[in-house]
Amino acid sequence: GIQVEQSPPDLILQEGANSTLRCNFSDSVNNLQWFHQNPWGQLINLFYIPSGTKQNGRLSATTVATERYSLLYISSSQTTDSGVYFCAVGERGFRQTGANNLFFGTGTRLTVIP
Amino acid sequence: DGGITQSPKYLFRKEGQNVTLSCEQNLNHDAMYWYRQDPGQGLRLIYYSQIVNDFQKGDIAEGYSVSREKKESFPLTVTSAQKNPTAFYLCASRTTGGEKLFFGSGTQLSVL
Repeated sequence: GIQVEQSPPDLILQEGANSTLRCNFSDSVNNLQWFHQNPWGQLINLFYIPSGTKQNGRLSATTVATERYSLLYISSSQTTDSGVYFCAVGERGFRQTGANNLFFGTGTRLTVIP
Repeated sequence: DGGITQSPKYLFRKEGQNVTLSCEQNLNHDAMYWYRQDPGQGLRLIYYSQIVNDFQKGDIAEGYSVSREKKESFPLTVTSAQKNPTAFYLCASRTTGGEKLFFGSGTQLSVL
């Protein structure tokens, strides 16, 4: 399967600071998603972004598929942003037959302190 | 409210025992998935199902079994053949014709 590396593994921020999380992957992908896992274990889908740039409030993401990386930007961080951020990639979109797995990185653990 | 419901939140298994984790969704999603998460690790796919009465093995299916008799339900059984079952189990479903995965709140399984 595709190898996914996330950096940094841990990040501690003061409330209000900005941060950039990185996801590198080893092969061409047509499916890339960012998730946030809160301290209670719930995973929330942040972005579906196999290429290009998207923004949702204080969060934005950019994927450069030709260079095999994606970045998640968090601006004006809040304590509720704490948790683990996962990048997950797939070789093909789910809608293609047989392409039903996403390969997850080990995550970036973010702690935002007041 | 639409969503994915997993139960129980915590489950304990005795040696040699089979246990079943429940996953129900009312989102009308066709595809459903089971993932396993070990501490400090990413998620790994156990089984997935694209339609009722059909399911496929993922990367770590040994020691697990599933059924998909109804569109809304995708229970996972952890059998006695799974020698290291302690983990956090997450059920997910996918928007019909879409790409985004949505997750339940998880079940923590521990061995007594």
